[in-house]
Amino acid sequence: EVQLLESGGGLVQPGGSLRLSCAASGFTFSSYAMSWVRQAPGKGLEWVSVISGGGGTTYYADSVQGRFIISRDNSKNTLYMQMNSLRAEDTAVYYCAKPRLRPSDSFDIWGQGTMVTVSS
Amino acid sequence: EIVLTQSPGTLSLSPGERATLSCRASQSVSSSYVAWYQQKPGQAPRLLIYGASSRATGIPDRFSGSGSGTDFTLTISRLEPEDFAVYYCHQYGSSPQTFGQGTKVEIK
Repeated sequence: EVQLLESGGGLVQPGGSLRLSCAASGFTFSSYAMSWVRQAPGKGLEWVSVISGGGGTTYYADSVQGRFIISRDNSKNTLYMQMNSLRAEDTAVYYCAKPRLRPSDSFDIWGQGTMVTVSS
Repeated sequence: EIVLTQSPGTLSLSPGERATLSCRASQSVSSSYVAWYQQKPGQAPRLLIYGASSRATGIPDRFSGSGSGTDFTLTISRLEPEDFAVYYCHQYGSSPQTFGQGTKVEIK
């Protein structure tokens, strides 16, 4: 079964850091670009970042550029998001998502999400 | 970036009725790279439609997508009780990819 499982969320103070992980199983992880998508409480979906299958190419939303770093370890089938200089507006459920085929594609597999709360 | 505007914000319908959801883009979406997702409370989004009109694996044929350019539509031909949820459109033809704000389909 194709599965994504996020972890690492929690409560952090403004200006703090957090690292999210997403463990993948059931597919050839290294063959797919992977994305993070977030959803603030009661709000819609926002694409955050994408990393290529080999890890050499990354893109970020303007809202997190320079503060978040996406990475992956294909030997461990795991995607990461290092979140620095966190702000209240980063409070959200963070999902990792697998594209259907191409790096820029619809997302056919989503994790269950991990909640990040930025508050003092 | 391409802004997606979904309408209506809320759709109040009864089981068995037809639902028509709209997604309008601020500029043309290349190659009709538009997807639709269903999300229920406390759950991750679920892919319904990709490429504007192709149903994802396992999606019932009461769900259909159409449109091109800047106007896209998700139609649910006959609402089942499990279809009451929030629906999002998503364009992945231009960077950054963007989502609409969602349409809630609620039981009337």
